[in-house]
Amino acid sequence: QKEVEQNSGPLSVPEGAIASLNCTYSDRVSQSFFWYRQYSGKSPELIMSIYSNGDKEDGRFTAQLNKASQYVSLLIRDSQPSDSATYLCAVRGVYKLSFGAGTTVTVRA
Amino acid sequence: IAGITQAPTSQILAAGRRMTLRCTQDMRHNAMYWYRQDLGLGLRLIHYSNTAGTTGKGEVPDGYSVSRANTDDFPLTLASAVPSQTSVYFCASSESGQGAHTEAFFGQGTRLTVV
Repeated sequence: QKEVEQNSGPLSVPEGAIASLNCTYSDRVSQSFFWYRQYSGKSPELIMSIYSNGDKEDGRFTAQLNKASQYVSLLIRDSQPSDSATYLCAVRGVYKLSFGAGTTVTVRA
Repeated sequence: IAGITQAPTSQILAAGRRMTLRCTQDMRHNAMYWYRQDLGLGLRLIHYSNTAGTTGKGEVPDGYSVSRANTDDFPLTLASAVPSQTSVYFCASSESGQGAHTEAFFGQGTRLTVV
């Protein structure tokens, strides 16, 4: 089992819709969770971090964490064409930061 | 401008040759990482270092070695390159590496092709 798994995608949503991305992790002692956005040919950039159960909102982005279910998600509201990218879920364990394979999102104008 | 610098940005390398990818950060971060990114496989951790003088193996360490002589530099060496090491390599750093609530910052990447 991979340490971090994401819904494989690709995910295509119309402009203005909500994009929903999911991620599960295997290490129960993980404490920190991150979502990165990566445009084609570029390096990953952090868009959200979450440490406690519940929701965390930042502009059009909402991260949700459920440690009991070992599940973290990202919602992108009012999706824009500029949101088209690959989204990477990252989980920090005791000594390392592990990433999922990523979900590619395409926002249709 | 503070950040992480990788060199070279791209390289074509003959199989069997030795190659060192350079990574330097000026944020005084304690932890540094090397990842490789391949299509469909996401970012896979090669080696990491939680502080100067210490290193650890990640998910795919075979064929790679690292050193951390000081806080700023974390070079990755391929002793004898093979075609399966063709990939995009990212160096990253974070303020701390042991369970702290810190995010990782990435360099611009090195695209390596082994022929």
